[in-house]
Amino acid sequence: GAVVSQHPSWVICKSGTSVKIECRSLDFQATTMFWYRQFPKQSLMLMATSNEGSKATYEQGVEKDKFLINHASLTLSTLTVTSAHPEDSSFYICSAWPALLALHFGNGTRLTVT
Amino acid sequence: GDSVTQMEGPVTLSEEAFLTINCTYTATGYPSLFWYVQYPGEGLQLLLKATKADDKGSNKGFEATYRKETTSFHLEKGSVQVSDSAVYFCALSDNTGNQFYFGTGTSLTVIP
Repeated sequence: GAVVSQHPSWVICKSGTSVKIECRSLDFQATTMFWYRQFPKQSLMLMATSNEGSKATYEQGVEKDKFLINHASLTLSTLTVTSAHPEDSSFYICSAWPALLALHFGNGTRLTVT
Repeated sequence: GDSVTQMEGPVTLSEEAFLTINCTYTATGYPSLFWYVQYPGEGLQLLLKATKADDKGSNKGFEATYRKETTSFHLEKGSVQVSDSAVYFCALSDNTGNQFYFGTGTSLTVIP
């Protein structure tokens, strides 16, 4: 079945640094990928829709300069959290929608900003 | 617009108990319906799905039937195990590639 690989699974960084999270579709091409944020014991919050070869579409309230998304190929989307602060600590999950059959998720990235 | 409503948790059950997690939806067209499971510290995994009315999705002992007349897709399992402890999300797709809606999630804890 469709596999979405997300890396790293856990990252700890110092405040002020930037962190890049990768999301790859391993056995299918994904022109669109989605990035979510999840706080403890809460549901997923859609941050942005990543479009291959064009700009990402951000949800209301999500800072595009803070969360940089690049979808340079049909199998890779990256989310960069720039100048991270402790309030950015969260669980970030990417997903892709192969053939519109079902949404497939990466295993998530736990970001801890100290 | 389209939406999904699922029962609030947390739900705590003893091992081998019967599980039902309610999910109802609102949709203007003919959506596909899904249940996802999230184990602690992991991403979401597709548990089962149904793409049209009266379809039954099943996997790992879990079942859900797409009921158009009651706009429901309740998740059931006859005998839960400790390893089923997770958060379960009901979801809906409008099949256009534009929208995918999630419920708020229901946390299930199964105690031995």
